Amino acid sequence: AQSVTQPDIHITVSEGASLELRCNYSYGATPYLFWYVQSPGQGLQLLLKYFSGDTLVQGIKGFEAEFKRSQSSFNLRKPSVHWSDAAEYFCALNSGGGADGLTFGKGTHLIIQP
Amino acid sequence: DTAVSQTPKYLVTQMGNDKSIKCEQNLGHDTMYWYKQDSKKFLKIMFSYNNKELIINETVPNRFSPKSPDKAHLNLHINSLELGDSAVYFCASSHRLDTQYFGPGTRLTVL
Repeated sequence: AQSVTQPDIHITVSEGASLELRCNYSYGATPYLFWYVQSPGQGLQLLLKYFSGDTLVQGIKGFEAEFKRSQSSFNLRKPSVHWSDAAEYFCALNSGGGADGLTFGKGTHLIIQP
Repeated sequence: DTAVSQTPKYLVTQMGNDKSIKCEQNLGHDTMYWYKQDSKKFLKIMFSYNNKELIINETVPNRFSPKSPDKAHLNLHINSLELGDSAVYFCASSHRLDTQYFGPGTRLTVL
């Protein structure tokens, strides 16, 4: 069965510092991978996605992620965080086999220190 | 224009009641979904509908039933509500395997 692991439940970063959120997946083939962000009391907003091709994908709000097949990882990065980046971040996988739902990781709560 | 909308945003009800949550998308997508987010923020797929046909149905109680009157709507009906049903329910839509767009969520509280 497919799964997504986000090893860090909470991460605290100073404003202006760089950020990396980890995501590992388990799936027998190349999955479709996504990063979503959820601000308090809000729905989920797509940051970026990987389907195929270039393994470094750019997203909105200055985020990027790199797909590494050898490590089964899809880590999210941002060179300089802003206070408004404080939110819950979810990595998700779609196996692509029909109208499947997304398999989500448990999320990483990002705290920004002034 | 809101792409995926849900009503109501908040729903407070007593145990044993029956309630519905409505979802509409104006993106022209062919597939819609319901997800449940528990108190620990874990998100899990409940249902998906493709062209008015149920595609997957995860192991949710049969008290939950999705109903799709047309491609743009997927409503969630819940019978005999239980305390454990308290959660945030998200509707989403996509075109085939592409990106899923989420609604703002409905926070259900069962007393």
